Amino acid sequence: QTVVTQEPSFSVSPGGTVTLTCGLTSGSVSTTSYATWYQQSPGQAPRSLVYNTDTRSSGVPGRFSGSILGNKAALTITGAQADDESDYYCVLYMGSGIWVFGGGTKVTVL
Amino acid sequence: EVQLLESGGGLAQPGGSLRLSCAASGFTFSSSPMSWARQAPGKGLEWVSSVSKNGDNTYYADSVKGRFTVSRDNSKNTVYLQMTSLRAEDTAIYFCAKDRYSSPGDYWGQGTLVTVSS
Repeated sequence: QTVVTQEPSFSVSPGGTVTLTCGLTSGSVSTTSYATWYQQSPGQAPRSLVYNTDTRSSGVPGRFSGSILGNKAALTITGAQADDESDYYCVLYMGSGIWVFGGGTKVTVL
Repeated sequence: EVQLLESGGGLAQPGGSLRLSCAASGFTFSSSPMSWARQAPGKGLEWVSSVSKNGDNTYYADSVKGRFTVSRDNSKNTVYLQMTSLRAEDTAIYFCAKDRYSSPGDYWGQGTLVTVSS
């Protein structure tokens, strides 16, 4: 069974840049994976940040951007701010209507 | 403003059943696919199920296939998740989400907690 992989944690300095990735244990992520990224703060519902690999959701600041890097989807935060400290999840389309989430990345801004 | 309000969570015994509801407002419900996802305590998100705009097509994670059934009533702007043969590992917050055509979770509800325990 294919698993979606994410880094467990990342630390970034205020104003710094961090790139989170979303991969597959078997195969490569492409645009047909329709990678979607979410931000979730403790006790809150997830918030959509990026969909279809690189399209920002409405109201999402421009410092969040999505892309394909090599064989993975990527979410880059450029100019990190304190309130970017959250958990970040990706989800990938596996075909036949099936979606699979990654395990999430905890981002610390310090 | 898009609003999604889940209800129906609570305590269920192993092997028991629950039906979750999600009342939607603020958008054209009949034009939106919908999904359910869950999050076990202290764990990550898990996609559970999706239903097409008219309810004709449904999709399930392997972990719930054969036990959960998703449906919708477009006249009531409501999507449902019927859960049967519940297991301890089904304990989680269940979120309802409005989907885009090509991605789940454009908007999310605040979730309802399901606890499966004897």
